[in-house]
Amino acid sequence: DAGVTQSPTHLIKTRGQHVTLRCSPISGHKSVSWYQQVLGQGPQFIFQYYEKEERGRGNFPDRFSARQFPNYSSELNVNALLLGDSALYLCASSLGVRGSYEQYFGPGTRLTVT
Amino acid sequence: GESVGLHLPTLSVQEGDNSIINCAYSNSASDYFIWYKQESGKGPQFIIDIRSNMDKRQGQRVTVLLNKTVKHLSLQIAATQPGDSAVYFCADNYGQNFVFGPGTRLSVLP
Repeated sequence: DAGVTQSPTHLIKTRGQHVTLRCSPISGHKSVSWYQQVLGQGPQFIFQYYEKEERGRGNFPDRFSARQFPNYSSELNVNALLLGDSALYLCASSLGVRGSYEQYFGPGTRLTVT
Repeated sequence: GESVGLHLPTLSVQEGDNSIINCAYSNSASDYFIWYKQESGKGPQFIIDIRSNMDKRQGQRVTVLLNKTVKHLSLQIAATQPGDSAVYFCADNYGQNFVFGPGTRLSVLP
């Protein structure tokens, strides 16, 4: 079975632009979570979606938004990009919504904001 | 608090030796913990998990120990190999989500 997939792999944007990142979960997984990982730090939770509904939100500004589609894939959108948004964006999928299910991560999207 | 942290940011071990990576968590309500391995340029890879009703769990060459009294978690890697070189994160389930520590870099010396 394929693991979690993310696209694109790398992305370069300029300040003020917006970006859309995509994630496809493991087949059968209904929950998708998004994390931001700044270089040298652990992943920071952004959103969790389950059955197309937002089930959790981390401490990120409203410029960050996400959605989940009927096939459980997900998009993360970031508007008005700042230099500080440069990071590795990770998607993780799991069977359930509670934080007691194994989360499997994708390879991430490396976003560089110039 | 809800932070998860690590005692040692870097760890160097000789190939063939055992490695022990430590982690402290602060949320006493956490009941599920995961160790991840992250190699450069890749996403975190699930290694092993443990629930709060257990104090030890073993996998292939890895063992996780949980001490709920002092809110401490450790990952033991037996016979460390060059391929074990990576950053290791512990994660704790705070509510419905996971909180990650800053990570420990494991370097395996030849």
